[in-house]
Amino acid sequence: KAGVTQTPRYLIKTRGQQVTLSCSPISGHRSVSWYQQTPGQGLQFLFEYFSETQRNKGNFPGRFSGRQFSNSRSEMNVSTLELGDSALYLCASSPSGSGDTQYFGPGTRLTVL
Amino acid sequence: AQRVTQPEKLLSVFKGAPVELKCNYSYSGSPELFWYVQYSRQRLQLLLRHISRESIKGFTADLNKGETSFHLKKPFAQEEDSAMYYCALSAQGGSEKLVFGKGTKLTVNP
Repeated sequence: KAGVTQTPRYLIKTRGQQVTLSCSPISGHRSVSWYQQTPGQGLQFLFEYFSETQRNKGNFPGRFSGRQFSNSRSEMNVSTLELGDSALYLCASSPSGSGDTQYFGPGTRLTVL
Repeated sequence: AQRVTQPEKLLSVFKGAPVELKCNYSYSGSPELFWYVQYSRQRLQLLLRHISRESIKGFTADLNKGETSFHLKKPFAQEEDSAMYYCALSAQGGSEKLVFGKGTKLTVNP
């Protein structure tokens, strides 16, 4: 099976812009989670989607949002970008979303100038 | 609140020496604990989880609920074990939310 894929792999944006990141889970996986990784804060949970519903949300401002489509593909959106949003954004998928092993994608490196 | 602490940011050992990466957690319920590893230029991947009680690549980890610890151990380190190691916690109850520690960078010297 193909692994989790994320597009694009790299992005450069300026403050105030918005950005959309995409994640394609492993075929058959229904749960998709998003994480932000920064040198200072490490890996932080953003949100989890299961069967097109947001099931859990981390402690991030409302500028961070996401959605999941019927084919389990997921997107996350960050509006009004700030310098501090520069990070590696990781997506992970799992089969049933119930304590399964999560499989991570390679990440999208977002740089905000 | 859930919290995972990895007290060592960096750990350096020689090949063949024992290695222990420490992980302590804080959680009022009954957690699931994981160790994830990230080798250079590779994606984050699961190394082991406490519920499976497996030994992967010679690594083991025992959940000590009394000390709220989940230390990762290997009796004889290999150079290919050099990587970033993350301890993570998941609350039981169907949530996929993982709370990660800040990670420990392990370097195994020849």
